[in-house]
Amino acid sequence: GAGVSQSPSNKVTEKGKDVELRCDPISGHTALYWYRQSLGQGLEFLIYFQGNSAPDKSGLPSDRFSAERTGGSVSTLTIQRTQQEDSAVYLCASSVDRGHIFWEQYFGPGTRLTVT
Amino acid sequence: KQEVTQIPAALSVPEGENLVLNCSFTDSAIYNLQWFRQDPGKGLTSLLLIQSSQREQTSGRLNASLDKSSGRSTLYIAASQPGDSATYLCAVRTPASGGSYIPTFGRGTSLIVHP
Repeated sequence: GAGVSQSPSNKVTEKGKDVELRCDPISGHTALYWYRQSLGQGLEFLIYFQGNSAPDKSGLPSDRFSAERTGGSVSTLTIQRTQQEDSAVYLCASSVDRGHIFWEQYFGPGTRLTVT
Repeated sequence: KQEVTQIPAALSVPEGENLVLNCSFTDSAIYNLQWFRQDPGKGLTSLLLIQSSQREQTSGRLNASLDKSSGRSTLYIAASQPGDSATYLCAVRTPASGGSYIPTFGRGTSLIVHP
C-alpha cells in the first residue's frame, strides 16, 4: 500500500511569505506527527495529532507555526511570515497509536524548505 | 527533559564487520524505543521497535537490546554490507507535561561501510 506522502518535495520562498506544507498519512493511521530537521541538528518534534484528541503543540517553536488535520487524515503545516532560520527539512510521520498505546512511526520523504 | 545521545557520531568500517551502535537516554520512564535508518535526502525508515517491557528485538542481521533501568539501547549489525551505509537514529517515547508521550530523537550515528 501507499506510504506517507508529502508535498511539495521542495519549496523556495522569500522571507516574510507564508508557506503551507501538506502531509497525507497512511490510510487508517490514527496518529500524525510533524518534525523539523535542520542541517547539523537532530530531529525536532513539532506537533502530534491522535484521533479526535486535542493535538500536542508543545514543540511548535513560535506562534508563526500552526497545523491542522482535517477529517482525521490529511494535515497541513503552515508557517507564517517565514524567516531564514525556518529553512529545514520538514518531515511527517503517521502511526496506528490508540490511547496510550504507541506503535511504529512511518515517515514521509520530507519537504525541503528554503527561505531566501 | 529527556535527552538522547548516540555514540559514536560517525563510524567507517570495512565490509563484513560486526557493529555496535549505542543510544543512551537520561529519563528511564520511557514507553518505547525505536531505531531508524535515514539515507541521504530521504525520510526515516523504521528498523526495530522495542516496547519498555521488552529486552530485545531482532530483524534479519539487526538486533536491538534495551536496558531501561540504565538508560541504554544497543543496535547490533551483523556482517555489515555497503548497503548498510546510512545514518542510524534512535528515538524514545517519554511522558510529556500535557499528558501525551512525545518522541525524542538522538542526533544519529553516520555509518559508512566500504567494500
